[in-house]
Amino acid sequence: EIVLTQSPGTLSLSPGERATLSCRASQSVSSSYLAWYQQKPGQAPRLLIYGASSRATGIPDRFSGSGSGTDFTLTISRLEPEDFAVYYCQQYGSSQYTFGQGTKLEIK
Amino acid sequence: EVQLVESGGGLVQPGRSLRLSCAASGFTFDDYAMHWVRQAPGKGLEWVSGISWNSGSIGYADSVKGRFTISRDNAKNSLYLQMNSLRAEDTALYYCAKDMSLYGSGPHDYWGQGTLVTVSS
Repeated sequence: EIVLTQSPGTLSLSPGERATLSCRASQSVSSSYLAWYQQKPGQAPRLLIYGASSRATGIPDRFSGSGSGTDFTLTISRLEPEDFAVYYCQQYGSSQYTFGQGTKLEIK
Repeated sequence: EVQLVESGGGLVQPGRSLRLSCAASGFTFDDYAMHWVRQAPGKGLEWVSGISWNSGSIGYADSVKGRFTISRDNAKNSLYLQMNSLRAEDTALYYCAKDMSLYGSGPHDYWGQGTLVTVSS
């Protein structure tokens, strides 16, 4: 099983700032099959990024993903009030998908 | 519009069984793999199981292997999760999720609102 470790656990920033979230895998993620999701309280997760760097339909371009192998990053260029939420990475390159434990992005 | 509606959750005693269902609409169900993902109260997401478009490929998380069985009925546009030998740690909101990739395996582009399973005596 591929273990994904996200950091930091909590990130405190202000609207307008840049957010950088990290996801590290215990072994190489096949073909960059790495996705990022956003989850707000009481809601189902929403797919943001797939294939490490491709934005899902309807996702604003302030969200970007990068990385390969074992190290991946989600960047939000300028935080909007609606971006404060929990973010999860997920690998889907093996027969057992796995999620990271999440990063909570909170308003400073 | 893609819709995924889960049902079948509830309160069940440890060791008992429960069957979850997911009714899908708004897309060609038998073209896509489907998944179950759960979230314990106040915790993160855990992928539980996935099934390919034709049921030819099935996977489970180690935590449920041997106890849970995923299946689908393409004629009824429905996904199922048979959960046996339930434990307290299976208590969670169970989401049905559609795979993004046609025929293949990919991330989850649509999610239901979930059905709550509580395992307690």
